[in-house]
Amino acid sequence: GAVVSQHPSRVICKSGTSVKIECRSLDFQATTMFWYRQFPKQSLMLMATSNEGSKATYEQGVEKDKFLINHASLTLSTLTVTSAHPEDSSFYICSARESGRTGEKLFFGSGTQLSVL
Amino acid sequence: SQKIEQNSEALNIQEGKTATLTCNYTNYSPAYLQWYRQDPGRGPVFLLLIRENEKEKRKERLKVTFDTTLKQSLFHITASQPADSATYLCAKAGGSQGNLIFGKGTKLSVKP
Repeated sequence: GAVVSQHPSRVICKSGTSVKIECRSLDFQATTMFWYRQFPKQSLMLMATSNEGSKATYEQGVEKDKFLINHASLTLSTLTVTSAHPEDSSFYICSARESGRTGEKLFFGSGTQLSVL
Repeated sequence: SQKIEQNSEALNIQEGKTATLTCNYTNYSPAYLQWYRQDPGRGPVFLLLIRENEKEKRKERLKVTFDTTLKQSLFHITASQPADSATYLCAKAGGSQGNLIFGKGTKLSVKP
């Protein structure tokens, strides 16, 4: 099956620093990738939709200047948490669907646990 | 507003029994529902998709049903094993770009 690679799996950083998370589709092309955030015992919440070659679409309440998304190629999307604060500590997960397919399953990365001290 | 709910936060069963998890939806009619498995500290993994015109779908020990009258999907694991212990998520289609909206999940624990 299709594989989505997410890196790093765990980050611990000081408050005020920026953290970049990479999401790669290894064996398929992904025009669209999705970034989710999950707090303990909560559901996955969509943060933004990343589109190759264009600006990301952010969900209501998600600060686009704080969570920078770049989707420079059909196999790579990055999420940068700028000036991270303790309240940004969470589990971030990316997902992708093969280009040209709709209404089907998503493939997820293994997630990144961000801890901001 | 459209909602997708998994009302059971946790389910504990004995090995060998059938686990049944519930997903309810309100205020809309989804074209399909999906079920995912999520292990601690990992991303979700797709299990099954069932469309509104399908009553039931099976995959090995897994079975999913879709009841449009009750507005409910049931997820069954037969002959459950400790390795089946995980959180199971129900999901529906989100926006036009193809994202998914997830329920909170049900944490299944299978005791030997």
